[in-house]
Amino acid sequence: EAGVVQSPRYKIIEKKQPVAFWCNPISGHNTLYWYRQNLGQGPELLIRYENEEAVDDSQLPKDRFSAERLKGVDSTLKIQPAELGDSAVYLCASSRRTGAGEKLFFGSGTQLSVL
Amino acid sequence: GESVGLHLPTLSVQEGDNSIINCAYSNSASDYFIWYKQESGKGPQFIIDIRSNMDKRQGQRVTVLLNKTVKHLSLQIAATQPGDSAVYFCAENYSGTYKYIFGTGTRLKVLA
Repeated sequence: EAGVVQSPRYKIIEKKQPVAFWCNPISGHNTLYWYRQNLGQGPELLIRYENEEAVDDSQLPKDRFSAERLKGVDSTLKIQPAELGDSAVYLCASSRRTGAGEKLFFGSGTQLSVL
Repeated sequence: GESVGLHLPTLSVQEGDNSIINCAYSNSASDYFIWYKQESGKGPQFIIDIRSNMDKRQGQRVTVLLNKTVKHLSLQIAATQPGDSAVYFCAENYSGTYKYIFGTGTRLKVLA
């Protein structure tokens, strides 16, 4: 079974430029998460999807960040415009929705550097 | 090179010794916990989980202990190997939610 797939692995952009990240979750996983991981810290939730619905986006900086999961499978996370402080690793994770307290599986992440 | 976790607490152990990594969780209502291993340049990898109705769970070379009284979680790795070198995170799941909160992590260094 394929794991969570993310692309690109690395992205280097100049500040004020837009950037997008893509995620394909594990097949059959209804719940999809985007996390941001700063250097030396644990992952912090940005947004959670149940199928195509964003059910928790309270931590998403909505002035510059947006996300979508149109068909309830793949998801994209976008930043426009990027700021220096957005440099981090952006992780996608997925789990089955059979009840709270399910194993969370992560992709390899996209390492973003904003210059 | 090593660029992740420069300011993380670090545990150094000799190869073959046992390792114990500790985690204090924040919410007394959390009822599900996961330990993750994260190698440099990779996403967190699931190691072992435990539900709050248990106080101990064993996997292959790993054991997780849960003390709900003091909100403490530990990960024990038996016969630590060089491949165990990584950053380890605990994550707690708030009861009845899909919200996972991660600790700050501990870097494990295995000395040859």
